[in-house]
Amino acid sequence: GQQVMQIPQYQHVQEGEDFTTYCNSSTTLSNIQWYKQRPGGHPVFLIQLVKSGEVKKQKRLTFQFGEAKKNSSLHITATQTTDVGTYFCAAYNNNDMRFGAGTRLTVKP
Amino acid sequence: KAGVTQTPRYLIKTRGQQVTLSCSPISGHRSVSWYQQTPGQGLQFLFEYFSETQRNKGNFPGRFSGRQFSNSRSEMNVSTLELGDSALYLCASRTSGTGYTGELFFGEGSRLTVL
Repeated sequence: GQQVMQIPQYQHVQEGEDFTTYCNSSTTLSNIQWYKQRPGGHPVFLIQLVKSGEVKKQKRLTFQFGEAKKNSSLHITATQTTDVGTYFCAAYNNNDMRFGAGTRLTVKP
Repeated sequence: KAGVTQTPRYLIKTRGQQVTLSCSPISGHRSVSWYQQTPGQGLQFLFEYFSETQRNKGNFPGRFSGRQFSNSRSEMNVSTLELGDSALYLCASRTSGTGYTGELFFGEGSRLTVL
């Protein structure tokens, strides 16, 4: 079955530093979504990537989908304290969807 | 537009009991899916319903079941509760019919503690 690995598990940064989380699948994906869950909150949709090599930006966030559609990344430039939370990828392989384990980001002011 | 509503928000049960959780999706959303979130296992997919039919199922024992009503509201039931069932149970809805794309809108969750 599909295996989804997300790294790192934890990331602690100083405010202003960059942050990247990676999601890797054992199978080719049809699409991938990214979600953010604030402490004590519920996951909130950030973006969906569908095309091979796709890159999308949302202000300081940059999302990439690999050429082989097996991996994806989320990069945050110049982190702020409001970026704190856990970032999950949701990897779709047709009818099968798996969440990555998440990367918990903490930001020191 | 109201969001996804889950009830109850918190509940405490003892081993061997059963529990029913409810989810009201966003108006117009016909797909409802359920997830179990624990610190150790992360977010795990339980099942998805669309138009009252279970469309997909995760790898959970038969003690976990669900259903969807004609108004798209959904319930999930866990029978013979075990300590390991303590978790945050999240419900999500989306509009998609065919295919599985489309963002998931999550509710606040039901936090179940089994003693």
